[in-house]
Amino acid sequence: ELKVEQNPLFLSMQEGKNYTIYCNYSTTSDRLYWYRQDPGKSLESLFVLLSNGAVKQEGRLMASLDTKARLSTLHITAAVHDLSATYFCAVETNAGKSTFGDGTTLTVKP
Amino acid sequence: DAGITQSPRHKVTETGTPVTLRCHQTENHRYMYWYRQDPGHGLRLIHYSYGVKDTDKGEVSDGYSVSRSKTEDFLLTLESATSSQTSVYFCAISDTETVAQHFGDGTRLSIL
Repeated sequence: ELKVEQNPLFLSMQEGKNYTIYCNYSTTSDRLYWYRQDPGKSLESLFVLLSNGAVKQEGRLMASLDTKARLSTLHITAAVHDLSATYFCAVETNAGKSTFGDGTTLTVKP
Repeated sequence: DAGITQSPRHKVTETGTPVTLRCHQTENHRYMYWYRQDPGHGLRLIHYSYGVKDTDKGEVSDGYSVSRSKTEDFLLTLESATSSQTSVYFCAISDTETVAQHFGDGTRLSIL
């Protein structure tokens, strides 16, 4: 059974600081997704990582995938309040099925 | 935005009653999914479909059934609702195995 672990689960940081969210998974996969969810809202896709060494960047967020280590990271650069949300990683196994981590709730304070 | 609509958006019902949630898409995507989201558990897959009449179980399928008679509709049924099925239910779609899923707005279901 695939297990996906995110850490930390809760993250409070000040504006302007940098931080990294980690996503570890237990079985082989080279397809990993990051999603964002605002409170009371649906999920929206942030990044699609489809191979070892893949790196994607959008604004202050950068995601990477190391399939050998079974690890993905979501790096936040110079955080701003608008980045406050819950971030999920999801690992795809087969037939389009994904297993989600429990999410990291990020709060960015002024 | 991907054309995906969930109905109803909110529902309150009593233990033991049947409940059906509907997911409708206008994207002609092959894959459709039902998840439940509970505090501390992220999203957990209930059932998914990889084509008309082709469905399979997810990790938390007990107490749920699904049907997909048309590409655009994926129904989730709770045959006899229990309080443990109180949750927020999300439908998602994707057209291949290497793209992110697009999510509906969710259905908040309360079973008293």
